[in-house]
Amino acid sequence: AQKVTQAQTEISVVEKEDVTLDCVYETRDTTYYLFWYKQPPSGELVFLIRRNSFDEQNEISGRYSWNFQKSTSSFNFTITASQVVDSAVYFCALSEGPGTASKLTFGTGTRLQVTL
Amino acid sequence: EAQVTQNPRYLITVTGKKLTVTCSQNMNHEYMSWYRQDPGLGLRQIYYSMNVEVTDKGDVPEGYKVSRKEKRNFPLILESPSPNQTSLYFCASSLNNPSYTEAFFGQGTRLTVV
Repeated sequence: AQKVTQAQTEISVVEKEDVTLDCVYETRDTTYYLFWYKQPPSGELVFLIRRNSFDEQNEISGRYSWNFQKSTSSFNFTITASQVVDSAVYFCALSEGPGTASKLTFGTGTRLQVTL
Repeated sequence: EAQVTQNPRYLITVTGKKLTVTCSQNMNHEYMSWYRQDPGLGLRQIYYSMNVEVTDKGDVPEGYKVSRKEKRNFPLILESPSPNQTSLYFCASSLNNPSYTEAFFGQGTRLTVV
């Protein structure tokens, strides 16, 4: 069975600090996809990234970076120089099959609070 | 504009009164699904559909029904809502294609059953 664990329930940081959100997953599939979504206070889900199981290259997008390590089954998300607008709930998710045309198994989310 | 539209956005209803939450996408996606979000539990899949007239249960299907008569629409039906179905519901759609990057989510429907 698929499982995604986000052990950090809430994180509070001061603006400009770096913060890392942890994600650990379990799957028996050899091919799988990992995702991060952002849920701002307005409630919608905003897609951030998808990573394939066969591509362990880390990715950077502006202040966001992702560290995928199959050896530890982790897909951690780092925000550099956090801003108040980063305050949101962040979900890590795993899909059990190719692409996104399959069930997404979500973690329980990490609430990030960035203060001035 | 590519989008998934859910209606209503907010709904308060009474126990046992049948309701339908509509979901429509304009991207010709084959795959559609419903999730519910509850505090401390993340999002859990209720039902999904691989294409027209093809639906299947997700992790928490009890108390829900769905139908997929047209490709663009995937309504969620609660025949006899109960307070434990108070939740935030999301509809999602995507192409059934391994190269496709993301699932599109609707804006969410906050349902309260009293």
